[in-house]
Amino acid sequence: AQTVTQSQPEMSVQEAETVTLSCTYDTSESDYYLFWYKQPPSRQMILVIRQEAYKQQNATENRFSVNFQKAAKSFSLKISDSQLGDAAMYFCAYRSLVNSNSGYALNFGKGTSLLVTP
Amino acid sequence: DTAVSQTPKYLVTQMGNDKSIKCEQNLGHDTMYWYKQDSKKFLKIMFSYNNKELIINETVPNRFSPKSPDKAHLNLHINSLELGDSAVYFCASSRRTATYEQYFGPGTRLTVT
Repeated sequence: AQTVTQSQPEMSVQEAETVTLSCTYDTSESDYYLFWYKQPPSRQMILVIRQEAYKQQNATENRFSVNFQKAAKSFSLKISDSQLGDAAMYFCAYRSLVNSNSGYALNFGKGTSLLVTP
Repeated sequence: DTAVSQTPKYLVTQMGNDKSIKCEQNLGHDTMYWYKQDSKKFLKIMFSYNNKELIINETVPNRFSPKSPDKAHLNLHINSLELGDSAVYFCASSRRTATYEQYFGPGTRLTVT
């Protein structure tokens, strides 16, 4: 079974500091995509960053960057200069092939709740 | 200008009732999804449609019936609601050729009492 594991249920960071959220995944596919989604209390799912497995370069979006270790199947999210608005649930996800009908869907981890303290 | 919209945003109903959630996207996508987020925040795919054709049906009780009248709309009808159906239901959409880029609706919080 293809799975996504987030081993940190909760994390805390002080404003302006840096925090890293961990994610590991398991897949037999050779071409795949990985994501980090943010879900604030408003419950809207917001795409933070996406990584294509065929790209060796780590994706970066402003203060958000990933450390993609393909061989280790690891995909961590680093948030630099943390802001109060970063407080949210963060989900790691992987696009998986669900069936032989070319049905693709996002396979999510259980999430990490990030608390940002002043 | 909402890309993916869902109605209603909140739904409170009693056990045994039948209810529907509607989803519409104006992105020109041809693939739509229903995800369920349970009380522990775990998100899981339920269904996916491509051009009105069901392509993913993930071990969901047959009390749940998705319907896609056209590729811009995907509705979810739930019969004989049970307490365990209480969850947040998210609609999402993408192009079939770009399923790595899914856009989510705001979610519908369903509470069954």
